[in-house]
Amino acid sequence: QKEVEQNSGPLSVPEGAIASLNCTYSDRGSQSFFWYRQYSGKSPELIMFIYSNGDKEDGRFTAQLNKASQYVSLLIRDSQPSDSATYLCAVSGSARQLTFGSGTQLTVLP
Amino acid sequence: DTAVSQTPKYLVTQMGNDKSIKCEQNLGHDTMYWYKQDSKKFLKIMFSYNNKELIINETVPNRFSPKSPDKAHLNLHINSLELGDSAVYFCASSRRGGVDTQYFGPGTRLTVL
Repeated sequence: QKEVEQNSGPLSVPEGAIASLNCTYSDRGSQSFFWYRQYSGKSPELIMFIYSNGDKEDGRFTAQLNKASQYVSLLIRDSQPSDSATYLCAVSGSARQLTFGSGTQLTVLP
Repeated sequence: DTAVSQTPKYLVTQMGNDKSIKCEQNLGHDTMYWYKQDSKKFLKIMFSYNNKELIINETVPNRFSPKSPDKAHLNLHINSLELGDSAVYFCASSRRGGVDTQYFGPGTRLTVL
């Protein structure tokens, strides 16, 4: 079982729609959860982090965490073509080491 | 000013050669990392240094040797390069260990011919 799992996609949504990206993790001792965005040929850049159960909103982005279900998600509202990228879920587990999922490729269609 | 910088950006070399990649961060962070991203985009940690001390050393061939002369620099030396070493190598840093946000350098695309 992979430690951090994401649907690899590709996920396509029309411009203006909500994009929903999902991630599950296996380490119940995980404390910190991160979403990174990576454009093709570029380095990962942080979008959001979340530590507590519930929702955290930042502009068009909402991170949702459910520790009981070991599930973290990222919602992108009013998706734009510029949001087209690979989204990486990263989890800091009980070993205090960041483990990345394999990423979900998102395409927002104009 | 670039927060995390790496040199070179591209590296093309022949099998069997030895090469180095350099990384510097000006964020004042204590922890630095090397990651390898393969062609399927999977990002895997290789090494982690905290204040010049090796913290994480994943299952990486001993042809790879990190070196941290000070907490702002973490270099990666690779001996006897193999075809399978071709990948993008990212340096990253964080204020503390894995619980903090990591900031990535621009990456070094290594191609072994």
